[in-house]
Amino acid sequence: ETGVTQTPRHLVMGMTNKKSLKCEQHLGHNAMYWYKQSAKKPLELMFVYNFKEQTENNSVPSRFSPECPNSSHLFLHLHTLQPEDSALYLCASSQGGGPDHQPQHFGDGTRLSIL
Amino acid sequence: KNQVEQSPQSLIILEGKNCTLQCNYTVSPFSNLRWYKQDTGRGPVSLTIMTFSENTKSNGRYTATLDADTKQSSLHITASQLSDSASYICVVSSNTGNQFYFGTGTSLTVIP
Repeated sequence: ETGVTQTPRHLVMGMTNKKSLKCEQHLGHNAMYWYKQSAKKPLELMFVYNFKEQTENNSVPSRFSPECPNSSHLFLHLHTLQPEDSALYLCASSQGGGPDHQPQHFGDGTRLSIL
Repeated sequence: KNQVEQSPQSLIILEGKNCTLQCNYTVSPFSNLRWYKQDTGRGPVSLTIMTFSENTKSNGRYTATLDADTKQSSLHITASQLSDSASYICVVSSNTGNQFYFGTGTSLTVIP
């Protein structure tokens, strides 16, 4: 149990569907992150939220839309995705939103497959 | 360009043996370096975090070293166990820009 829960664990969707990924952290952290992990590639940081405010958006296409209603919950809304968006999407949280010396705690990810 | 390179890409060792994984980086300015372990089907788990002034840090059978002058780090695993089979990811943090730079990982397989 990492303290960061992601749902669903697996998701298969067509390119015209709309779906949402959910992340919840039970660690009292104030920063939350979305990452994309593709095979043979480094993790790609997508979004960072610190105290519910978005502090980082790494040129992510608009078909990915994050939402952070409070410090414990993070969503990633998906629409009109492309086959190359198939990947493992990881959520993480930490105490402090910068590159300080606090470890990031990751969830087990949502495996997304786009048909 | 800020980069993190890990070697080897994959490694197979016998149970009980030691091994060393390498991480070279060009990230600047440097804040800290992290090693994560990622089991198949799970998210990464933090093993160590090292700052500029730390040369070595241990977490059980895992020992990380850092040479900030040569921008190299290593992760040494002692007396390997089957449960050590995983991907090991090196992450370098910077105080500016993208902030987190990830390596592609070393896939370690421990066989009986």
